[in-house]
Amino acid sequence: NAGVTQTPKFQVLKTGQSMTLQCAQDMNHEYMSWYRQDPGMGLRLIHYSVGAGITDQGEVPNGYNVSRSTTEDFPLRLLSAAPSQTSVYFCASSSNRGRYEQYFGPGTRLTVT
Amino acid sequence: AQSVAQPEDQVNVAEGNPLTVKCTYSVSGNPYLFWYVQYPNRGLQFLLKYITGDNLVKGSYGFEAEFNKSQTSFHLKKPSALVSDSALYFCASDSWGKFQFGAGTQVVVTP
Repeated sequence: NAGVTQTPKFQVLKTGQSMTLQCAQDMNHEYMSWYRQDPGMGLRLIHYSVGAGITDQGEVPNGYNVSRSTTEDFPLRLLSAAPSQTSVYFCASSSNRGRYEQYFGPGTRLTVT
Repeated sequence: AQSVAQPEDQVNVAEGNPLTVKCTYSVSGNPYLFWYVQYPNRGLQFLLKYITGDNLVKGSYGFEAEFNKSQTSFHLKKPSALVSDSALYFCASDSWGKFQFGAGTQVVVTP
């Protein structure tokens, strides 16, 4: 199993550009989520999904959009990039919400200039 | 609202000495608590979790954690630290399906 994969590994955007961060998992997990990691702030939940067709907002959803058309894929869209979105983004999946540990992807380092 | 706090930005320990990384939580109801480790330029890796039952939880790589309800703490421990344990450690809680991470504690183990 590849686990959780993310592409790209690195990305530089100009302010106002849009892009999609890709996330896929091959473990048939129902629960998937997106986090951003900033120094001194830990990981903050952006959006999450409890199954195909179902998404919800996390702690910091503004400026981001998600959809979940299949169990395997959970892309994160930046609608109009801002310098405040410079961060490292992690995708994670688990069997279900709650008591189940999450499996994390390797991350995408995004810089917005 | 749920939250977890890691009061130390960094913990320094000599190899072979005991390692403790502190975490306190504020969660309504019964908490689900987790520890993760992050090595440089990598994603987070699961170490252990407390769901219910025995207050002492054993996990990967010789780590363990003690759940203390009266002190609302879930400290991570290792009896004898290795240089390879140097990494960033995160405590996390789950309440109603939403994960909340602490800010992280950098562990530095010196030879």
